[in-house]
Amino acid sequence: GDSVTQMEGPVTLSEEAFLTINCTYTATGYPSLFWYVQYPGEGLQLLLKATKADDKGSNKGFEATYRKETTSFHLEKGSVQVSDSAVYFCALSDRGGSEKLVFGKGTKLTVNP
Amino acid sequence: DVKVTQSSRYLVKRTGEKVFLECVQDMDHENMFWYRQDPGLGLRLIYFSYDVKMKEKGDIPEGYSVSREKKERFSLILESASTNQTSMYLCASSFEQGVDQPQHFGDGTRLSIL
Repeated sequence: GDSVTQMEGPVTLSEEAFLTINCTYTATGYPSLFWYVQYPGEGLQLLLKATKADDKGSNKGFEATYRKETTSFHLEKGSVQVSDSAVYFCALSDRGGSEKLVFGKGTKLTVNP
Repeated sequence: DVKVTQSSRYLVKRTGEKVFLECVQDMDHENMFWYRQDPGLGLRLIYFSYDVKMKEKGDIPEGYSVSREKKERFSLILESASTNQTSMYLCASSFEQGVDQPQHFGDGTRLSIL
């Protein structure tokens, strides 16, 4: 079945550091890929998405590129801020499957001033 | 902006009670979803609905049921609450079927079963 594996957390960085959160996937069809973010005490918000190979999703300084050859969708940001502290979820929706979202387990990021 | 509203942020119930969690969305979305979120397990889909009066089981439907009598409202029901149903419950909606459609989430209900 479909699955998403993302790097275990927690991740702790200093402000202005570079962020990478790894995400790889397994899918029976041709999925769309998403990153969601959950700030403390809130629900999930869509951060960015990519719907086909080599697409780059971007938002709020975050980027991720859909790599079909490596089945990956790693999240990056060049300079993190304290306000980026949150839990980040990688997810896929598979055209060949049920079109439901399949989530990774989440990576908690803490950014210290 | 899409607004998905869950009726309670925090709820405490007793073992054996019938518990109702309510979710309302204001954007005329066809699809609605219920998840539970547990540390180390991420989000797991309980039930979803693609239309009024329609429901489909997700990955962990046991011990739960749902009701969708109106398009904007999707209720999750714990028929006889048990302590292993203590969790964060998240409701979501999306505009239509399709892999490109993002889901919009409510702020969650933290449910404790004593």
